[in-house]
Parts: sequence; structure tokens; C-alpha cells
Amino acid sequence: SQELEQSPQSLIVQEGKNLTINCTSSKTLYGLYWYKQKYGEGLIFLMMLQKGGEEKSHEKITAKLDEKKQQSSLHITASQPSHAGIYLCGADRGNGGATNKLIFGTGTLLAVQP
Amino acid sequence: GAVVSQHPSWVICKSGTSVKIECRSLDFQATTMFWYRQFPKQSLMLMATSNEGSKATYEQGVEKDKFLINHASLTLSTLTVTSAHPEDSSFYICSARKTGRGTGELFFGEGSRLTVL
Repeated sequence: SQELEQSPQSLIVQEGKNLTINCTSSKTLYGLYWYKQKYGEGLIFLMMLQKGGEEKSHEKITAKLDEKKQQSSLHITASQPSHAGIYLCGADRGNGGATNKLIFGTGTLLAVQP
Repeated sequence: GAVVSQHPSWVICKSGTSVKIECRSLDFQATTMFWYRQFPKQSLMLMATSNEGSKATYEQGVEKDKFLINHASLTLSTLTVTSAHPEDSSFYICSARKTGRGTGELFFGEGSRLTVL
């Protein structure tokens, strides 16, 4: 079965610093989603990547999917306290067609110190 | 704003009672919705797929008689935790895809926290 591993598990950065969160899959990723979650709350959709080498940005957050479609990274530039939360990567369980059923990574807890 | 809404946000019940959680898609129709659960400090695990007009499909290890799913309309799916026990206490989240202009966005509700005493 497919597994997603995220690293690091937790991260504390000083406000204004850049950071990167990684998500590695044991299988080729068909669709890779990034979400942010505040503890005990719902998931906020950030980005979805499908094509090898794809890169998307929204405000100060950039997500990339490698050419082999087995690894994705989420990069935050000039972090702010509002970026704090749990970041989850999710992969579509399909092997070539979208199922909309996601397997989630273990999550990365981000704290940003003012 | 939210495109998938859940109700209630939190519920506390006594052991042995049943609890219903609603998941609504706002401003769009969803023939398929998904229910996940999340234990404290753990990631989300898919429980079942809710299909409008037909039976839900459950993931391995999820008791279908315990977690009743009804997809009553194209905008509403309900999850009923029957005869709830403390081990059912968890955070339940639903998701639905909003089809449109190729954004590929899969939206999640705000979640419903269930505490069984």
C-alpha cells in the first residue's frame, strides 16, 4: 500500500526565515495535495500538483513535485506567525485516474516565533 | 469562504447513544463525498466513500453498522455513529470535490469533534 512520509515532523523557525517541508511517497504520485490545518480544525486547501516538475505558488508558499513524481516539497518564504499550523500532504490513491480518496502524510507541525 | 460545511462542530454524548454529523456542499453538487477520522496528533484516515443514491463503500477495518452513512441528496451526506463508545471519540472530517475549471481542488469541511463520555 502507498505510504507518505513527511519531514520534518515538527519545525520551529524565527519569523522572517524560510523553511521547507518534504513529502515522500513510496509510489508514483498521481495527484499531490498540500493542506494546512490548525489543531482541531478543518483543512485549508493550499495547492494541488499533478505533473512531474510542476511548481505552484500562492503568496509566500511554493510547492513543487519532482520529475519522478515521488517527492514534493513545500517552501515558505519569509515566514510569519500566521503560517503556524500543521501541514499535511495528501496523495490520491488512484494509479492513473483520480479517485478523490486521499492518503495523508504524517504531518509537519510548524511554529513561527515572533 | 467555506465550500464544504459540517455540523455540528463539536458534540459530547453519553456512551451508548447515537450521534449524527452532517456534511454539506455549499453552492455545488457532490455525488461523492468522503469521510475521514483523525485521532489526536495523528493524520487523517479515510473511513468511507459516501455515494449519492447508493450504498457507501467502507475502508477495510471500518464497521459499516457502526458508522452509518446516508447520502440523502446531492449536497448532503450524514455520518451516524451508532451506540457510541469512548473509543469513537475523534475528529471527523468530510471532503468533496468541487468540479469546475480544472482547479483540482478537493475541499474539506471544518470537522466535527466527537467526545463520548
